[in-house]
Amino acid sequence: AQSVTQPDIHITVSEGASLELRCNYSYGATPYLFWYVQSPGQGLQLLLKYFSGDTLVQGIKGFEAEFKRSQSSFNLRKPSVHWSDAAEYFCAVGGNNDMRFGAGTRLTVKP
Amino acid sequence: DTAVSQTPKYLVTQMGNDKSIKCEQNLGHDTMYWYKQDSKKFLKIMFSYNNKELIINETVPNRFSPKSPDKAHLNLHINSLELGDSAVYFCASSQGQGRGGELFFGEGSRLTVL
Repeated sequence: AQSVTQPDIHITVSEGASLELRCNYSYGATPYLFWYVQSPGQGLQLLLKYFSGDTLVQGIKGFEAEFKRSQSSFNLRKPSVHWSDAAEYFCAVGGNNDMRFGAGTRLTVKP
Repeated sequence: DTAVSQTPKYLVTQMGNDKSIKCEQNLGHDTMYWYKQDSKKFLKIMFSYNNKELIINETVPNRFSPKSPDKAHLNLHINSLELGDSAVYFCASSQGQGRGGELFFGEGSRLTVL
């Protein structure tokens, strides 16, 4: 079965600074990869997804992610973080029957 | 108009009781899921149904019983509630399973067992 590792449990960045959240996956075939964001007390919202094609994908809210097959990674980036980006971020990989999530990375934004 | 809706949003109950959580999606999707999110935010799949047929049944105590009366509904019934069942339960739907499609999530149902 597929699996996802998010090495960073908690990251703190200053507002306006750049952000990179790491994600490594394990899957035997070409993966379908996703990043979701969860604000406090809310459900999960899709930020972006990768199925095939261009390895750099653009998402909502100014986020992007790059698929690197050689590193089994799908890291999420944003050039300039806003205070409203503070949330929990989940990387996920779609398998044959379901989607598996990483443990999440909590992002704190300092003023 | 909410795409995936769950009721109730909050549920506080005593150990040993039985409770249900309902989920409805109006997206026309053919696959629905239940995920459990524990206190550390870890999301674990419990069940998935495709066209009312059970596809995934992870290692979940048989006190948990999902029911899908039609493609748009997936309910979760829990018998003999235990303290460890306290969590947020998320319903989700997709068109196609796993690799096929992105999941759309409800807002979650926070279950507290006292």
